[in-house]
Amino acid sequence: KNEVEQSPQNLTAQEGEFITINCSYSVGISALHWLQQHPGGGIVSLFMLSSGKKKHGRLIATINIQEKHSSLHITASHPRDSAVYICAVRKGGGNQFYFGTGTSLTVIP
Amino acid sequence: DVKVTQSSRYLVKRTGEKVFLECVQDMDHENMFWYRQDPGLGLRLIYFSYDVKMKEKGDIPEGYSVSREKKERFSLILESASTNQTSMYLCASSSWTGALPGELFFGEGSRLTVL
Repeated sequence: KNEVEQSPQNLTAQEGEFITINCSYSVGISALHWLQQHPGGGIVSLFMLSSGKKKHGRLIATINIQEKHSSLHITASHPRDSAVYICAVRKGGGNQFYFGTGTSLTVIP
Repeated sequence: DVKVTQSSRYLVKRTGEKVFLECVQDMDHENMFWYRQDPGLGLRLIYFSYDVKMKEKGDIPEGYSVSREKKERFSLILESASTNQTSMYLCASSSWTGALPGELFFGEGSRLTVL
């Protein structure tokens, strides 16, 4: 069983749609990260969360520590948002990260 | 701008060859990681290091070794490459100040093909 589960695995949206990607985890954590990977590219960090909500441009990330759940929202989606989005958690008190298998998002013009 | 730099974007090697993948970070981070990424399996930890000369095995260390002689450099070594080690290899670094976790930074990745 994976410590981190993401849904959906694949997502296709029309340009302008509101998108939600979900992440559930089963371990105690010190932080949760949302990462983005474009095709053939490296991975960049979008957010690091330990509580509440963060917003950066059209991206919003929320976390509910009690429910061990986080969501990544994209408002007014654009084809350049097409990428794989990966949820990762840092285990509480530790140095290791656990990763979801990613959500592949395609935004169609 | 913070940076994690991997030495090679693309490598093609033959079975049995020794392969070195190098990673350098300029952020003075304590923690460095080597992952491999395969379709459907996500990121899997090979080794990580929390200090110079310190290393810990991850989930899939077999067939790999690592070296961290300087804080900024973490090398992954495939002693005798095999075809099942064909993969994307990603280096990452992160700070750790005890109670405060730091952000995670990745290199661009090294795509290794073993023939």
